[in-house]
Amino acid sequence: DAGITQSPRHKVTETGTPVTLRCHQTENHRYMYWYRQDPGHGLRLIHYSYGVKDTDKGEVSDGYSVSRSKTEDFLLTLESATSSQTSVYFCAISELYPSGVTEAFFGQGTRLTVV
Amino acid sequence: GQQVMQIPQYQHVQEGEDFTTYCNSSTTLSNIQWYKQRPGGHPVFLIQLVKSGEVKKQKRLTFQFGEAKKNSSLHITATQTTDVGTYFCARNTGNQFYFGTGTSLTVIP
Repeated sequence: DAGITQSPRHKVTETGTPVTLRCHQTENHRYMYWYRQDPGHGLRLIHYSYGVKDTDKGEVSDGYSVSRSKTEDFLLTLESATSSQTSVYFCAISELYPSGVTEAFFGQGTRLTVV
Repeated sequence: GQQVMQIPQYQHVQEGEDFTTYCNSSTTLSNIQWYKQRPGGHPVFLIQLVKSGEVKKQKRLTFQFGEAKKNSSLHITATQTTDVGTYFCARNTGNQFYFGTGTSLTVIP
């Protein structure tokens, strides 16, 4: 599982409240990602990080912010949750192999419901 | 966007039937990857294709990369209930991954 842990695994929150999801990795990977998964849209990149304090936006970054103060932790924050942010959120890391293949490894996911 | 499109979105097959999912891009791809996500699980890497016209097999799974490197397919021969899940293609550029919309496969025993 590439040592990736997401917390919480499930959360129900009210519209307008802030929410932070945590991704923790134990194998010192440089790149970390946050995706959301929705029916009909597949996996869409929200934000990614290429090092401590180095982050960038993905395809669907509006309404989300991230922080990476330590190599092992990548936090995703919804400043004011909306119902459209109800989704399953996956954290991922990338691993480059000697073969040249870069593979994405995912955490177990966080199911977030905004009511 | 940078997503690749997949069809169909859903597929129901009888156990033993074949299944194919297609991945299409409007731009030339440097590579294509395939992932499988079991129900309730997370995506897991299956394979990467790089060369034009490349074909790779993993047991009952056959992966193809188009000659123009704009499309790819995953074919499963004689599906089994263990094949249930969502199959994603993805384009990988350096350390970026852009996933397809996925095909959800249901296998009816």
